[in-house]
Amino acid sequence: EAGVTQFPSHSVIEKGQTVTLRCDPISGHDNLYWYRRVMGKEIKFLLHFVKESKQDESGMPNNRFLAERTGGTYSTLKVQPAELEDSGVYFCASSQDKARGAEKLFFGSGTQLSVL
Amino acid sequence: GNSVTQMEGPVTLSEEAFLTINCTYTATGYPSLFWYVQYPGEGLQLLLKATKADDKGSNKGFEATYRKETTSFHLEKGSVQVSDSAVYFCAAGSSASKIIFGSGTRLSIRP
Repeated sequence: EAGVTQFPSHSVIEKGQTVTLRCDPISGHDNLYWYRRVMGKEIKFLLHFVKESKQDESGMPNNRFLAERTGGTYSTLKVQPAELEDSGVYFCASSQDKARGAEKLFFGSGTQLSVL
Repeated sequence: GNSVTQMEGPVTLSEEAFLTINCTYTATGYPSLFWYVQYPGEGLQLLLKATKADDKGSNKGFEATYRKETTSFHLEKGSVQVSDSAVYFCAAGSSASKIIFGSGTRLSIRP
């Protein structure tokens, strides 16, 4: 069974450009989460989808970030326009746990975003 | 607010050395505690967990005990291997959207 996959693994863009990150969760997982680790600091929650609906987007830093999950399968996270402080590693995770426990998460390997 | 503080890295040890990575937390209530590991080129994986005070989580030779009195969850292994080289994250919380991670500790093991 395929795990959580993220594309691209690395992205280098200039300040002001747009970048779209993609996450393919494990098939059948209704819960999809985005997290990010900025500047080698702690990993922080961004948002949570249940199928195609945003369940919790309290961690989204500002309106330059837009996440979608059309059809309830893969998800995209767009940053427009990108700023220097957006550099970091963006992780996606999925689970089928109705209780949405942290221990049931399956993580992707992350997208390393560098904004120059 | 809730927070997790863990030992800053990088930590470099020789093979078969004893490992301790310190982790302390501040939280309201009694959160579940976790250690996640990220091997090179891979995603985070749950290494072990403990859900209540005095619980000991263990996996792959690693152990950590939930210490309520010291609000700690230190990770230990008696004899590390080169294959243990990775980044280790301590975390606290229960739900996937409320989990708080530490900043990670990079561990390198020399043959």
